[in-house]
Amino acid sequence: AQSVTQLDSQVPVFEEAPVELRCNYSSSVSVYLFWYVQYPNQGLQLLLKYLSGSTLVKGINGFEAEFNKSQTSFHLRKPSVHISDTAEYFCAVRESQGGSEKLVFGKGTKLTVNP
Amino acid sequence: GAVVSQHPSWVICKSGTSVKIECRSLDFQATTMFWYRQFPKQSLMLMATSNEGSKATYEQGVEKDKFLINHASLTLSTLTVTSAHPEDSSFYICSARARGGSSYNEQFFGPGTRLTVL
Repeated sequence: AQSVTQLDSQVPVFEEAPVELRCNYSSSVSVYLFWYVQYPNQGLQLLLKYLSGSTLVKGINGFEAEFNKSQTSFHLRKPSVHISDTAEYFCAVRESQGGSEKLVFGKGTKLTVNP
Repeated sequence: GAVVSQHPSWVICKSGTSVKIECRSLDFQATTMFWYRQFPKQSLMLMATSNEGSKATYEQGVEKDKFLINHASLTLSTLTVTSAHPEDSSFYICSARARGGSSYNEQFFGPGTRLTVL
């Protein structure tokens, strides 16, 4: 079974500062990895995903993440955040083989960007 | 992008009543829909997977008789919380996977339904 750990429940930063949201996973099989963003009272929106290939993945809104297999991590980064990036961010994993489409989510990290 | 809607967005009901939540894929056909539950400050937990025209597959620990799922068409799945109790109060989110042939198919999420049982 897979599990996802988001080490920080809340991350406050100032506008235009860089940010890193940490995600570690555990799985006995190979996985796909995802980051989703949830704005207040809205559903989840896919930021980026790692399926295979290059370990550095670029997503929407200037976010990127790097898959590190040896450290079983998939940290999300943005070099300069905006007020509008304030939201809840979820890391998720899914088995890449076996046909299961079950997404396993972390508990989320609330990013607050202050002026 | 693909749009998934949920109705209602929020509902308050009395203990013992049943509540139906709809999940619709607006601009694509969804052969598979997923129902998640999210408690405050917690992650989304998959409750069940529903495939159009067949019975839903429930995750371990989810009562199938309490959370009835119907996926009658390629654009609509419903979740009925039967005999709701205060502990069923939660944020329910659905997602839909488009019909397609690739090995990876993205799930598109609805905006969620907040259920409060008094």
